[in-house]
Amino acid sequence: GAGVSQSPSNKVTEKGKDVELRCDPISGHTALYWYRQSLGQGLEFLIYFQGNSAPDKSGLPSDRFSAERTGGSVSTLTIQRTQQEDSAVYLCASSLEGTSGRFRNEQFFGPGTRLTVL
Amino acid sequence: GNSVTQMEGPVTLSEEAFLTINCTYTATGYPSLFWYVQYPGEGLQLLLKATKADDKGSNKGFEATYRKETTSFHLEKGSVQVSDSAVYFCALRGNTGFQKLVFGTGTRLLVSP
Repeated sequence: GAGVSQSPSNKVTEKGKDVELRCDPISGHTALYWYRQSLGQGLEFLIYFQGNSAPDKSGLPSDRFSAERTGGSVSTLTIQRTQQEDSAVYLCASSLEGTSGRFRNEQFFGPGTRLTVL
Repeated sequence: GNSVTQMEGPVTLSEEAFLTINCTYTATGYPSLFWYVQYPGEGLQLLLKATKADDKGSNKGFEATYRKETTSFHLEKGSVQVSDSAVYFCALRGNTGFQKLVFGTGTRLLVSP
């Protein structure tokens, strides 16, 4: 079956421009995560969506970062006024989480979007 | 807070050599532990996991044992192949409510013929 897909695969932008990164999770997965993979910082959690609950935004590095998840499926990560330090690979993952509060299901990752800010 | 420390790479081995990549963690309670692998040009894939102390996760010839007494989850393989060349990430996740994955910095493995 189809895995997590992300687009674009590569994005080069100029400092100060806004960018949108898209994630299509696995169909039926209720939870969606964004992570960032950058040199010197490893893999960092950014934001988490679960069903209709309010997202956990505790990992967003600044108010220039925001994310939406429409219809409980596709998600868009928006970075406004990009800076060079935003250059990284942005990874999306999805999982089928239970409703019991015991979140142990496997996270499936997409191939990532490589963002380069010039 | 929770954290993961893994050995820096790159680790360079010849084919059929024995592999160990060390991973230790700091966490409250009883986290679940994972090894993820990232092959060149591909996304992260779960390699193996263990959810409680003394559990051994295994897959594709790789093994790791959840050692609570040493807070470790070292990855091992008895005989590596060129196709194992990749970046390996150790990760943990707490088991109460939502807990994000906390990753180590990754270890690049290079296997030569």
